[in-house]
Amino acid sequence: AQKVTQAQTEISVVEKEDVTLDCVYETRDTTYYLFWYKQPPSGELVFLIRRNSFDEQNEISGRYSWNFQKSTSSFNFTITASQVVDSAVYFCALDRSNDYKLSFGAGTTVTVRA
Amino acid sequence: DAGVIQSPRHEVTEMGQEVTLRCKPISGHNSLFWYRQTMMRGLELLIYFNNNVPIDDSGMPEDRFSAKMPNASFSTLKIQPSEPRDSAVYFCASSPGPEAFFGQGTRLTVV
Repeated sequence: AQKVTQAQTEISVVEKEDVTLDCVYETRDTTYYLFWYKQPPSGELVFLIRRNSFDEQNEISGRYSWNFQKSTSSFNFTITASQVVDSAVYFCALDRSNDYKLSFGAGTTVTVRA
Repeated sequence: DAGVIQSPRHEVTEMGQEVTLRCKPISGHNSLFWYRQTMMRGLELLIYFNNNVPIDDSGMPEDRFSAKMPNASFSTLKIQPSEPRDSAVYFCASSPGPEAFFGQGTRLTVV
């Protein structure tokens, strides 16, 4: 069985602070994909990043960075110098390589105050 | 490409009525998914199509729910009869591979 745990329910920060979202996953598969999605107040789900299980390189995209550590089954997401527009619910998700069905975590609500 | 298009964006219906949600996937994507989002259960997969064929419908809650994909550019999710507990946001997503691209969702309210 696959499981994704996002232990942080809500995080509130002041603009320009960094915020790190935790994601821990469980799977018996050796090949799998990890994702982060953003759901802003408007409600749509926006794809942010995909990582496969064989690629443990960290990735940076602008103010976003991701830290994948297979040894601890974690795929954490950091927003550097947060902005009000970063306020959203962020979901971590996992899928197997052969069926592409996503298992989502419960989501972390990030509120960035001006 | 316009992305995944869902209609309607909002639907309010009375208990017992039939509801049909529609989805147009991104052209060229061979997988299509229907997800439901509720406060209690979060995001959960209802059904998954590959090349227009239903592959896994184990997430469909009960026989009142049915989904079809008559061709590569259209899918429907039907609830008949609807119940208040079906109130949720229903997302359609399509993918060419591992990452799924979601539509804007249909917010369904059954009163």
